[in-house]
Amino acid sequence: ETGVTQSPTHLIKTRGQQVTLRCSSQSGHNTVSWYQQALGQGPQFIFQYYREEENGRGNFPPRFSGLQFPNYSSELNVNALELDDSALYLCASSPQGGGTNEKLFFGSGTQLSVL
Amino acid sequence: DAKTTQPPSMDCAEGRAANLPCNHSTISGNEYVYWYRQIHSQGPQYIIHGLKNNETNEMASLIITEDRKSSTLILPHATLRDTAVYYCIVRAQTNFGNEKLTFGTGTRLTIIP
Repeated sequence: ETGVTQSPTHLIKTRGQQVTLRCSSQSGHNTVSWYQQALGQGPQFIFQYYREEENGRGNFPPRFSGLQFPNYSSELNVNALELDDSALYLCASSPQGGGTNEKLFFGSGTQLSVL
Repeated sequence: DAKTTQPPSMDCAEGRAANLPCNHSTISGNEYVYWYRQIHSQGPQYIIHGLKNNETNEMASLIITEDRKSSTLILPHATLRDTAVYYCIVRAQTNFGNEKLTFGTGTRLTIIP
């Protein structure tokens, strides 16, 4: 139990729709990052939010966007869903200060299926 | 971040030590070695990390070679609950608040009863 909670746990959408995934970070953590994990692959970094601003982005198109709120919770939004967006979406938080010597705490993820 | 190479799968008998190797021959001086594991249907779980010296915690030990080009994660007494995919990650010194991890495909460790 990491204290990072994600909702919903499972979601089914159709191609072209939009989706919002939610994440509550562990108490005291002000940095939230999002990862996409396709079946059989390792997680791939989407982006990170620190103090409500995007601070680092992976190789994902602009239709992947996010928000971080004053309580450090976060949302991942995906527009114009494509079949290849079907994946497990993971949220991770880390303590105030960040840096290389900090570990990430992951939630259990949201399994998104795009039909 | 430097690239890592891990065997795709390994088996280990329950109660024995599981030794998971990782090659990171292009690692830079300021890059840490991190290990995470992912049990089916869960998010990755932090295990251990190190820079130069060997490290031990309640979960595992990390042995880093003197030239830092490879490392071994040791689970001293493997149990069935240690069956998971294990990821070795090399992580560069980053800017304040930048927490990107670059995952490979990891090693699928199966503990045999």
